[in-house]
Amino acid sequence: EAGVTQSPTHLIKTRGQQATLRCSPISGHTSVYWYQQALGLGLQFLLWYDEGEERNRGNFPPRFSGRQFPNYSSELNVNALELEDSALYLCASGGQGRYEQYFGPGTRLTVT
Amino acid sequence: AQSVTQLDSQVPVFEEAPVELRCNYSSSVSVYLFWYVQYPNQGLQLLLKYLSGSTLVKGINGFEAEFNKSQTSFHLRKPSVHISDTAEYFCAVRENTNAGKSTFGDGTTLTVKP
Repeated sequence: EAGVTQSPTHLIKTRGQQATLRCSPISGHTSVYWYQQALGLGLQFLLWYDEGEERNRGNFPPRFSGRQFPNYSSELNVNALELEDSALYLCASGGQGRYEQYFGPGTRLTVT
Repeated sequence: AQSVTQLDSQVPVFEEAPVELRCNYSSSVSVYLFWYVQYPNQGLQLLLKYLSGSTLVKGINGFEAEFNKSQTSFHLRKPSVHISDTAEYFCAVRENTNAGKSTFGDGTTLTVKP
């Protein structure tokens, strides 16, 4: 069974630009979760999508947004990039009625 | 609101010694508990989970954890560690609500020395 995949592996952007990160969940999983892992700040919950709808979001500004497609893959968009957005962005998927999350390898975003 | 405290930021141990990584949580509702491991430059891998039932749960790679409701703890243990266990370990809590999100501790870096 293929795991959660994320692309790209690395992304380098300059301040003010936009970044788009992509995630494909495990086959059969309908939920996608996004987390930010910044140096020294641990894992912070960003967004939860389930069945195409945004179900919950963490304490992040509106320039962090995303969507989930009919095939349950997901996109995270970060607008007006700031230096402190540099982090590892982790995507996780979960099955319906299940509580554990399965993580992808992450996208390393560097903002210069 | 839920919170997770991992009591040790770094734990150095010698190979083949036992280890315990401590995790306490706080929540006003019932919770599900997890331990994840993260190797350098990788995502998180699920080690084990407590959803209900027996308070002693066994996971992969010889790890186990015990849920203690009265002490709101979920400590991770391994009787004999290997060099390959060197990694960062995260305790996570998910409330039994429709919020969906998990709250993670700050992580414990386990370093196994030869």
